Amino acid sequence: TQLLEQSPQFLSIQEGENLTVYCNSSSVFSSLQWYRQEPGEGPVLLVTVVTGGEVKKLKRLTFQFGDARKDSSLHITAAQPGDTGLYLCAGALFVIQGAQKLVFGQGTRLTINP
Amino acid sequence: KAGVTQTPRYLIKTRGQQVTLSCSPISGHRSVSWYQQTPGQGLQFLFEYFSETQRNKGNFPGRFSGRQFSNSRSEMNVSTLELGDSALYLCASSSWTGVNYGYTFGSGTRLTVV
Repeated sequence: TQLLEQSPQFLSIQEGENLTVYCNSSSVFSSLQWYRQEPGEGPVLLVTVVTGGEVKKLKRLTFQFGDARKDSSLHITAAQPGDTGLYLCAGALFVIQGAQKLVFGQGTRLTINP
Repeated sequence: KAGVTQTPRYLIKTRGQQVTLSCSPISGHRSVSWYQQTPGQGLQFLFEYFSETQRNKGNFPGRFSGRQFSNSRSEMNVSTLELGDSALYLCASSSWTGVNYGYTFGSGTRLTVV
């Protein structure tokens, strides 16, 4: 069962365009993290959002956590070829004894064409 | 500071064999999690270790096991390898930031079962 639905799975746009990636779930997460992964490497953390309604900006990237902490979005303004990569959202779920695990979305493979 | 180190980077094994992967976390991080990444299933949680104890386990068969040593280094073992075990195995070390866990992933071990 995929707890976190990420869309779109593939996105190819021209340099300079804007785009939004969505992550949706029926589960409530303690936090939501966004990662970027390059081929042959592990995911690299971009941002963590913790509070419902929270908005964080990282240069041209804007991340938002839904009010109910069940969904999140990543918006890129004026995309550049260097933004090309696999973007992953991950919801953090607390389990017993304070342990936590990350539930990942399927990822969005983003290609920015010059 | 040094990141998360996973060895080996690449591995080719034959069906039925077993394999051991290693992960050295960031110094001071006591939690190590393992994830399997495949094109079809994305990133899936295997298990998490904290202070040499498994705190959390995903939905994988008993052929997948792990352990953590007193220096926080972790190993995962897969016995009786199947073709479907071919994947990128990622290790993440984490520490509590006071608000949430901060995760750092290694570059992964690419396992190919033939």
